[in-house]
Amino acid sequence: ETGVTQSPTHLIKTRGQQVTLRCSSQSGHNTVSWYQQALGQGPQFIFQYYREEENGRGNFPPRFSGLQFPNYSSELNVNALELDDSALYLCASRLAGPYEQYFGPGTRLTVT
Amino acid sequence: QQQVKQSPQSLIVQKGGISIINCAYENTAFDYFPWYQQFPGKGPALLIAIRPDVSEKKEGRFTISFNKSAKQFSLHIMDSQPGDSATYFCAASSGGGYQKVTFGTGTKLQVIP
Repeated sequence: ETGVTQSPTHLIKTRGQQVTLRCSSQSGHNTVSWYQQALGQGPQFIFQYYREEENGRGNFPPRFSGLQFPNYSSELNVNALELDDSALYLCASRLAGPYEQYFGPGTRLTVT
Repeated sequence: QQQVKQSPQSLIVQKGGISIINCAYENTAFDYFPWYQQFPGKGPALLIAIRPDVSEKKEGRFTISFNKSAKQFSLHIMDSQPGDSATYFCAASSGGGYQKVTFGTGTKLQVIP
């Protein structure tokens, strides 16, 4: 186990709703990244947070937003959910610098 | 825009055989090339990684071969075991190697006894 935890494990939402996913980083890790993994695809980078600020973003619209807290836990918020947002959402934490990231088990989001 | 292409999509190998997965990239700024292993219900886990200043890296039964001029790299799993059955992702990143990692589409490996 990596020490990165995510909640909830599964979630079902309706199109148009908003959702918040949570991630607890491995102890001491001050950088967190979020990824979206559609079924049968590789993870796609959403954004990264360091010291509570976003410092990198992939090709995702502004309705995908995040927060990182002083204890390095983080949230991914998605507004105005669309059917295509159905995916496994992964967070990964690491130390800032040339260090590998460690993934959590993910949250499976289904939008109906 | 897919920047890392991975093949094959699926692979069946007999126990004891060699599993080979190939990847190609486009962005010459990439400077870090990890491979991840993912089991059902789990997040990806780093298996082995290489930087473009070396052509090969071996860790146990796992070897990465890297061809910088062709912009290709591959994973070889020697003496494949049923426990190796998982989905494998190649990936690439730039700017220090650990940010904005771009993943391939994955290869589902099944090792049969």
